[in-house]
Amino acid sequence: DSGVTQTPKHLITATGQRVTLRCSPRSGDLSVYWYQQSLDQGLQFLIQYYNGEERAKGNILERFSAQQFPDLHSELNLSSLELGDSALYFCASSASGSSTGELFFGEGSRLTVL
Amino acid sequence: GQSLEQPSEVTAVEGAIVQINCTYQTSGFYGLSWYQQHDGGAPTFLSYNALDGLEETGRFSSFLSRSDSYGYLLLQELQMKDSASYFCAVRPPGGGNKLTFGTGTQLKVEL
Repeated sequence: DSGVTQTPKHLITATGQRVTLRCSPRSGDLSVYWYQQSLDQGLQFLIQYYNGEERAKGNILERFSAQQFPDLHSELNLSSLELGDSALYFCASSASGSSTGELFFGEGSRLTVL
Repeated sequence: GQSLEQPSEVTAVEGAIVQINCTYQTSGFYGLSWYQQHDGGAPTFLSYNALDGLEETGRFSSFLSRSDSYGYLLLQELQMKDSASYFCAVRPPGGGNKLTFGTGTQLKVEL
């Protein structure tokens, strides 16, 4: 158990809909990262937050947005969903000043768009 | 930009030694990490190289050569439970934790 919690674990929805994925980082971690993993693909970085502020952005679509709240949990909002958005969405957190940069991943949210 | 290439699949027998390679093209990075992922589960950290050379952690070792733009993960005394996907990843210059992951290698361990 990494200490990172993601909900929901599974989500099935239709094209055009909107969903929200939730992540609680490990206790004490200020940074949250979102990654997308499509079938048999690698992990694609979407966005990073640090203590409530956006820190880095990857190839995140304009239809996607995220935020980190004062209690440090984060939400990833996916709108106008398309079939190609079906994927595993992982949240990770890390400790500040880590010598290895280790990311602690949650179990992921598996999104299926029909 | 950064790209990290790995073989898509490697097969080995239980008890053997296997090496998973990672070749990269990047303008610079702080260190190279390795992660293991079982069947779409949470990726977990295995090893990290900040400097060139070999890092050993139990049955797993990782190697980095910046001059050759190359690294590898070495798994010894393979066990069936080692069947998983393995990803290399680089940290950005400056030492942040926003990792760029490689294409991933699926390791199959057979009896």
